[in-house]
Amino acid sequence: DTAVSQTPKYLVTQMGNDKSIKCEQNLGHDTMYWYKQDSKKFLKIMFSYNNKELIINETVPNRFSPKSPDKAHLNLHINSLELGDSAVYFCASSPRGLAGGPGFGDTQYFGPGTRLTVL
Amino acid sequence: AQSVSQHNHHVILSEAASLELGCNYSYGGTVNLFWYVQYPGQHLQLLLKYFSGDPLVKGIKGFEAEFIKSKFSFNLRKPSVQWSDTAEYFCAVNAGKAAGNKLTFGGGTRVLVKP
Repeated sequence: DTAVSQTPKYLVTQMGNDKSIKCEQNLGHDTMYWYKQDSKKFLKIMFSYNNKELIINETVPNRFSPKSPDKAHLNLHINSLELGDSAVYFCASSPRGLAGGPGFGDTQYFGPGTRLTVL
Repeated sequence: AQSVSQHNHHVILSEAASLELGCNYSYGGTVNLFWYVQYPGQHLQLLLKYFSGDPLVKGIKGFEAEFIKSKFSFNLRKPSVQWSDTAEYFCAVNAGKAAGNKLTFGGGTRVLVKP
């Protein structure tokens, strides 16, 4: 009964390759996110989708392309992988995420993470 | 832009000691505040959150946090820690639509509780 799941859990690949990480949530949430956690444990948002629409796109190289086939899925595709892409990537979801009034900023539920190692 | 700073990068303490982790944010408007915990090898889990109302918020596992608006702070406390509280703790803030409605995390505090 995993609420937010990611595959694969570990990904080891060579520089220059293209890889994808998949994320699925079964919570019925409207918004999904991708975060990158670097080796110093610093967490930074990369993207956010609300009902399949891109909402947040932080300063991320365009080698990273999120894709949301439906609101329960948000995949991350990375082209031409570089050493600096090595990190743990977390997917998250929240019920709404976009309301601007009181109560905005719903709790985000995180997946188990995907540890990407680029050699 | 909103930002979050956590004062301590590493904290080492013994079981039964009291814990307080500092968190300050920079944003002048209304914010929602969160503390997440990441146990070794695991994903982030919500400890507690503040949206409105009583500034003293109680969370899971005996944790609490106090929102002090005048100090832009949301410090996390636990009166008596256990070995199982060894983890990385992250403070986070969401300033809503005006700030892009994104969760901004602090740099984390690694807590090691010695048995």
